Amino acid sequence: GAGVSQSPSNKVTEKGKDVELRCDPISGHTALYWYRQSLGQGLEFLIYFQGNSAPDKSGLPSDRFSAERTGGSVSTLTIQRTQQEDSAVYLCASSPYPPSSGSRETQYFGPGTRLLVL
Amino acid sequence: GENVEQHPSTLSVQEGDSAVIKCTYSDSASNYFPWYKQELGKGPQLIIDIRSNVGEKKDQRIAVTLNKTAKHFSLHITETQPEDSAVYFCAATDNTGGFKTIFGAGTRLFVKA
Repeated sequence: GAGVSQSPSNKVTEKGKDVELRCDPISGHTALYWYRQSLGQGLEFLIYFQGNSAPDKSGLPSDRFSAERTGGSVSTLTIQRTQQEDSAVYLCASSPYPPSSGSRETQYFGPGTRLLVL
Repeated sequence: GENVEQHPSTLSVQEGDSAVIKCTYSDSASNYFPWYKQELGKGPQLIIDIRSNVGEKKDQRIAVTLNKTAKHFSLHITETQPEDSAVYFCAATDNTGGFKTIFGAGTRLFVKA
């Protein structure tokens, strides 16, 4: 079946501009995560959505970052007034929580959006 | 806060040899430990996982061990092949509340033919 999709795959923007990154999770997955991966680095947790619960925003690095999830499906990560240090790959993942079958915690990742801020 | 340390950052082995990657975690409430493989230009993909009530799990050439007392867990790849070359991430999750996952910094594995 279809996996997690992200768009755009690549984004080049100028410093100070706003950008929106989109994530389409696997159908039926109620949990959705955003991570940031800087060049050659690990995955930095940004935000986690679970059903209708309040999202865990503890990883957002500043108030320039925000995310929403509409209708429990598609999510958008917005970065306002982008800075050069925002350049990274932004990964989205979804998981089938609450448990239905299999491993409820397994996160299925999209291919990422490569953001370059000039 | 929660932290996962992963070593080594880079590992180079000869084809056919074994590779071992080690991780330690700080949150004693962590009870689920997945390992992900990330190939160039792709998102990470789960390769094996282990829960806190299990000490060892094996799937063909890969195995994971967990020492809850020491808060250590390790990935073992035997009979390595060139296609095993990738970045490997360990992670720790406390799934009793939310599913926030803390990832290690990654290990870049090179398998030389």
